[in-house]
Amino acid sequence: EDQVTQSPEALRLQEGESSSLNCSYTVSGLRGLFWYRQDPGKGPEFLFTLYSAGEEKEKERLKATLTKKESFLHITAPKPEDSATYLCAVTIQGAQKLVFGQGTRLTINP
Amino acid sequence: SQTIHQWPATLVQPVGSPLSLECTVEGTSNPNLYWYRQAAGRGLQLLFYSVGIGQISSEVPQNLSASRPQDRQFILSSKKLLLSDSGFYLCAWSVLGGHGSQTQYFGPGTRLLVL
Repeated sequence: EDQVTQSPEALRLQEGESSSLNCSYTVSGLRGLFWYRQDPGKGPEFLFTLYSAGEEKEKERLKATLTKKESFLHITAPKPEDSATYLCAVTIQGAQKLVFGQGTRLTINP
Repeated sequence: SQTIHQWPATLVQPVGSPLSLECTVEGTSNPNLYWYRQAAGRGLQLLFYSVGIGQISSEVPQNLSASRPQDRQFILSSKKLLLSDSGFYLCAWSVLGGHGSQTQYFGPGTRLLVL
């Protein structure tokens, strides 16, 4: 069964304290791995798509990387406005749908 | 640019009442459309998806149904709501992109509380 697991469930950091969120997946025929940000009471906002092992993408203080078994979302010198739940999802070959992880709730304290 | 709308934003309904949630997309043609439910503090559960008008795939057996009467309109319905139907309902759209994948873009969501 295709599965996506995110860790940790929750992470609390001080402003400026860099860290990484993990997304491990067990799927056959990965077609793409997606990262989303979700603020409370809002729909998820698309951040990145990664397609193959070794690929990296950056946006402001965020960098996503992909290996054959997992993806990391690195957050460098975070600010309080980076506080949100970060969701990881995968799509597999021939599928029209995404499989989501449970998310990591990130809190950045000023 | 593409825009996705959902309404209502919030809904409080009694158990046993009917439900109709609507989602519309602007600025794209023939998108795939999706309905998700998100329980408090949990991940997204795919309920239905549609690849075209009148074409609906159901992921989870339940008392909900979906319809796609127009290319860019997706409706989630129920004849009789249950307490367990409470949650945050999200609509999403996608089109085929690079590498054969489909990036999904989400609407603002509808918060449903069944009492």
